Amino acid sequence: DTEVTQTPKHLVMGMTNKKSLKCEQHMGHRAMYWYKQKAKKPPELMFVYSYEKLSINESVPSRFSPECPNSSLLNLHLHALQPEDSALYLCASSQDQARRYEQYFGPGTRLTVT
Amino acid sequence: GESVGLHLPTLSVQEGDNSIINCAYSNSASDYFIWYKQESGKGPQFIIDIRSNMDKRQGQRVTVLLNKTVKHLSLQIAATQPGDSAVYFCAERGPGFQKLVFGTGTRLLVSP
Repeated sequence: DTEVTQTPKHLVMGMTNKKSLKCEQHMGHRAMYWYKQKAKKPPELMFVYSYEKLSINESVPSRFSPECPNSSLLNLHLHALQPEDSALYLCASSQDQARRYEQYFGPGTRLTVT
Repeated sequence: GESVGLHLPTLSVQEGDNSIINCAYSNSASDYFIWYKQESGKGPQFIIDIRSNMDKRQGQRVTVLLNKTVKHLSLQIAATQPGDSAVYFCAERGPGFQKLVFGTGTRLLVSP
């Protein structure tokens, strides 16, 4: 199984809502990543978890809160988002952070903030 | 600072032609380069990679060339097929860097 799954595929939320994005992989990977991708732009790294611990936060606003409950799951909790946060949110995983270049991406969650 | 950029935002080719997608990078310390393919509605898919101690690497119908002198990376796709239509990103990893830096992307359009 070389698949990274993400739910939901699409999400529309208001600026006062609280929602969560979920990511799952069963490849035994110990590094997991959240990226944000705006239309026609490359993915931008947000967070990196290595062995279930947050190792990188790319100065992401606190309205985005990541969580790694176990080695297979990665969540991104959303609260009080702004319309400019609308984007495709991609999850990725790799064997470990030392092999971070071999990242497997999920299909993404397309988020619209109204 | 570091940057990874592409020369052509859109490349249109005919089916069966060979395609060349170019990428420039500015960080001479980068030691690893990757090409990703992103189809509409999907996440990026790893295509091929190359280490800085190599200048060429071949895969199935794809070849990556690295010219460290001019800090240039290219992806060659042989006998391009409609299924190759996608956005292609180059990405680099610098030594000691803790993340991949993606280039701006090139859209490849393949006409039958």
